[in-house]
Amino acid sequence: DIQMTQSPSSLSASVGDRITISCRASQSLINYLHWYQQKPGKAPKMLIYAASSLHVGVPSRFSASGSGTEFTLTINNLQPEDFATYYCQQGYSARPLTFGGGTKVEIK
Amino acid sequence: QVQLIQSGAEVKKPGASVKVSCKVTGDTLSELSMHWVRQAPGKGLEWMGGFDPENDEKIYAEKFQGRVTLTEDISTDTAHMELSSLTSEDTATYYCASTSSALRYWFSLDQWGQGTLVTVSP
Repeated sequence: DIQMTQSPSSLSASVGDRITISCRASQSLINYLHWYQQKPGKAPKMLIYAASSLHVGVPSRFSASGSGTEFTLTINNLQPEDFATYYCQQGYSARPLTFGGGTKVEIK
Repeated sequence: QVQLIQSGAEVKKPGASVKVSCKVTGDTLSELSMHWVRQAPGKGLEWMGGFDPENDEKIYAEKFQGRVTLTEDISTDTAHMELSSLTSEDTATYYCASTSSALRYWFSLDQWGQGTLVTVSP
């Protein structure tokens, strides 16, 4: 199985800040890496697919980059509605699909 | 716009089975690749199984092999996930999640159901 490791597991930030979340894979994914946002009590929502492509309707303050085994999600000008948990997921091998452990973004 | 509407919460005894449904609106089930993901209370996301369009077959996480069955009713655009031999460790929120035809080979989960809480308790 491909192991996905996110860091940090949590972070505190203020409205208006820029934050970066990292995701590392145990083997190359090329760019088969996707990012999700989950708010408490809600289903996850896809933000980014194929490492850097913004999903429809996602604000442009979200961006992502990376390839191979190292990926990052960046949120510029953090907004109150961005406080949530973020997950990466690899789509390179579907046997099985695997997620990172999540990064909880909290208000400072 | 695609929406996935899941069935309601369930409470089951240990050893029982549960079947969760996921109704597709705004598209047809045959155009989507459906997957199932669960989340135990306070924990992360765990993929259970789904459709592999490259090999035109359903695939399952090894952890759930033999215990989970994924089915689809094309006539009603409804997908089902049945999990048997339940234990307290299966208490979780179960999500269906779909990949659109344009993104199916990326195995990205671009639409999610609202989740179904399954509680396993004596």
